[in-house]
Amino acid sequence: QKEVEQNSGPLSVPEGAIASLNCTYSDRGSQSFFWYRQYSGKSPELIMFIYSNGDKEDGRFTAQLNKASQYVSLLIRDSQPSDSATYLCAVNMGGSARQLTFGSGTQLTVLP
Amino acid sequence: SAVISQKPSRDICQRGTSLTIQCQVDSQVTMMFWYRQQPGQSLTLIATANQGSEATYESGFVIDKFPISRPNLTFSTLTVSNMSPEDSSIYLCSVELAGGGTQYFGPGTRLLVL
Repeated sequence: QKEVEQNSGPLSVPEGAIASLNCTYSDRGSQSFFWYRQYSGKSPELIMFIYSNGDKEDGRFTAQLNKASQYVSLLIRDSQPSDSATYLCAVNMGGSARQLTFGSGTQLTVLP
Repeated sequence: SAVISQKPSRDICQRGTSLTIQCQVDSQVTMMFWYRQQPGQSLTLIATANQGSEATYESGFVIDKFPISRPNLTFSTLTVSNMSPEDSSIYLCSVELAGGGTQYFGPGTRLLVL
């Protein structure tokens, strides 16, 4: 069974702090990694994707990938109350399949 | 990205009936998928909608219960058949754009089965 695991949280951070969200995956052949943000009652919104080992930065968001450790993380700098949402890690297991396997999500609350 | 619409946005249905959900994209896409998100849960893939051929279903999902059509590159339907309260969920379509590897989600259909 190919799995994607996330810290279920909930995670609370004060406004302005760094929020760190973690994800591990079981399939060593996984090739593509995605972070989605889902506000309550809304559909998932893509915020970051990463394919190669290392860091990828986009504004206040940084995705980090370590394929050797089968670990991907999302850092949110200068967290804002508007960042309060559930963050979903998704993995494409590679090969001919293009579908995503999702983790259970981490609920983040940024406290003003 | 693309503009993705789903109809209906929500519905309340009686057990034993069927509901067809439509997904429309404003540009041609390579892949279309259907997911289910049960209350408080993450997303589970139901099937990949293949244009012009039968959908590819994930383990635990069958065509008789969730028939899917994809007549062209911008449109797909998912039918939830012979519904029971356990089918109460959010149903989401997602698309992968031509030339990309990322998936974008429609707004979802919220289904309540009584």
